[in-house]
Formats: sequence, C-alpha cells, structure tokens
Amino acid sequence: DTGVSQDPRHKITKRGQNVTFRCDPISEHNRLYWYRQTLGQGPEFLTYFQNEAQLEKSRLLSDRFSAERPKGSFSTLEIQRTEQGDSAMYLCASSGGGTVYNEQFFGPGTRLTVL
Amino acid sequence: AQRVTQPEKLLSVFKGAPVELKCNYSYSGSPELFWYVQYSRQRLQLLLRHISRESIKGFTADLNKGETSFHLKKPFAQEEDSAMYYCALWSRSNDYKLSFGAGTTVTVRA
Repeated sequence: DTGVSQDPRHKITKRGQNVTFRCDPISEHNRLYWYRQTLGQGPEFLTYFQNEAQLEKSRLLSDRFSAERPKGSFSTLEIQRTEQGDSAMYLCASSGGGTVYNEQFFGPGTRLTVL
Repeated sequence: AQRVTQPEKLLSVFKGAPVELKCNYSYSGSPELFWYVQYSRQRLQLLLRHISRESIKGFTADLNKGETSFHLKKPFAQEEDSAMYYCALWSRSNDYKLSFGAGTTVTVRA
C-alpha cells in the first residue's frame, strides 16, 4: 500500500496519560497535515508541515499537543496529559507542494478514546 | 474567517431518484471548493473539485459565487453512493489547509 499510513489505528488511554501517533505520508509528498474529527463534525485542521518545518498551528492545538516531522518524512503527534475532550479521530494527510492546490491524500486515521 | 455549511446531516433517497447535497461557504477571497467522500470503512477521498468541472461517478457540482454555494448533484442515485460526503474549501492564502463542512450522510434505498 503506497498511501498514507497511520499507527496505531486505535488507542485507548486513561485521562492524564501521554499518547503519540505516527503518520507516514506518501513518499514524494513534502506537505503533511494533521486534522482532528469529532463525532458529527468534519475534519478540523490542527497543523501542517512543509518538509520538516511546521508552518501553521491551529488555535485548537493547545500546549499539550506537539507535532514533529524531524526528517521531512514521517510525523508524530503527541498529546500530553490527555483529557476526555481529546477523544476523536486524528487524521493525517499529505500532498505535493507548490502554490496551486495539490490533492491531499488522507490516511485511515487514529481513533483515540480517553477514559 | 472562512466557513463551510452543510445544512443537511442526513439525506435518504430511493435508488434511481435524484440527489442533491447542499453546501454554502463564506470566504472573502477566491477559494477552491471540493467534495470529499468517505465510504463505509474507507478513508476520506476526493470526489471532485470545482476547477476541473468534471463529472465523477455521475456527480456534478457547480460553483455559484453569487450565492456562495457548491451543491453536489446526481440525477440517478445508486446504492453504492451511500456514504458520508464533505464539502471543503481551500485557499493558498489560508495556509493551504482544507476547511470542511460537518458532512452529510447519504443513504440510498433500494
């Protein structure tokens, strides 16, 4: 499968624990995006990278959230001290660069449940 | 601020009947509009974009800048069209991110 992959697919954790998700984009894509989707809503933008540089962070991304893309390839999203409100589907997408729209290809998502 | 509104959460139609999913947007610039679809147990995927003016799987969507709408239409719905549909907006001046509506669940009944 040469599409965007995410790991794990499901994560159940207790409130207060830290969790980390991984996203592997399509190999030639230099842009990588994180979105969060809660029940009954469309995906909401969290942050995005161009190569290894994190260029934009949404106000949704509190200080407990951090994302990295150290070598411009895979990315990790860490949530510290999880809260029940963090329960959601976390989606990763990747695209080519440039100033025109390049289709964002989505991964299958990581479903987080905070107990 | 940009916003995408899909007023219908659920839409149920019979096979062979026309289906129309509504999408309205607010954005001050010149956005690009898209429809994304998510079939059961599959990932989110692009269905069509306004700039290409294509018909994909029998679906069409026309961007109406006067009414700020981008409604998705299909004259004869098929059972395989049952899915979740999201309208999305993109602009390079908005950091290349997609802004999605809340989605419409379409069920096509036999």
